[in-house]
Amino acid sequence: GQQVMQIPQYQHVQEGEDFTTYCNSSTTLSNIQWYKQRPGGHPVFLIQLVKSGEVKKQKRLTFQFGEAKKNSSLHITATQTTDVGTYFCAGNTNAGKSTFGDGTTLTVKP
Amino acid sequence: EPEVTQTPSHQVTQMGQEVILRCVPISNHLYFYWYRQILGQKVEFLVSFYNNEISEKSEIFDDQFSVERPDGSNFTLKIRSTKLEDSAMYFCASSENYGGAHEQYFGPGTRLTVT
Repeated sequence: GQQVMQIPQYQHVQEGEDFTTYCNSSTTLSNIQWYKQRPGGHPVFLIQLVKSGEVKKQKRLTFQFGEAKKNSSLHITATQTTDVGTYFCAGNTNAGKSTFGDGTTLTVKP
Repeated sequence: EPEVTQTPSHQVTQMGQEVILRCVPISNHLYFYWYRQILGQKVEFLVSFYNNEISEKSEIFDDQFSVERPDGSNFTLKIRSTKLEDSAMYFCASSENYGGAHEQYFGPGTRLTVT
């Protein structure tokens, strides 16, 4: 079945440093979505990427979708303490099933 | 802002008992989902539901599980005979269109503890 791998599992950064998480799918995706889950909270939708090579920005967050539509990344510039949480990618196929990656848990030291 | 609600927030049950987890999706959404998240692990897809029937289900969603939309607003997940390994947070989600094309809005979750 479809597998979505995400690395790293954990990332500890000093406030102000950058952060990147990477997502790789075993199959070509229809689209990819990114979610953020704060400790004790539920996943909250951040963005969806659909087109091959697509890049989207949300303030300090930059999302990329690979040319082959099998990988994606989320980059946060100059992290803040409010960025803490676990970031999940979710790969979606044409069949419509969402497969979540393992998540990357970000901690930010002030 | 409209939101998905779930009840109860925490359910404790004994092994072998049946539980029903309840969700009220966002009112104009047509697609509904259940996910589970074992403590400290990733979010796992269980099932998607549209037009009063299951659209997709995962290997986890075996005969122990069933879903229902008993009326115009509720969406339920039933676990017939709970096992210890069913202990997890269960999230309901809904989307305007199929989750592959639209963002999914997650509820706050029900923490199920099986003793």
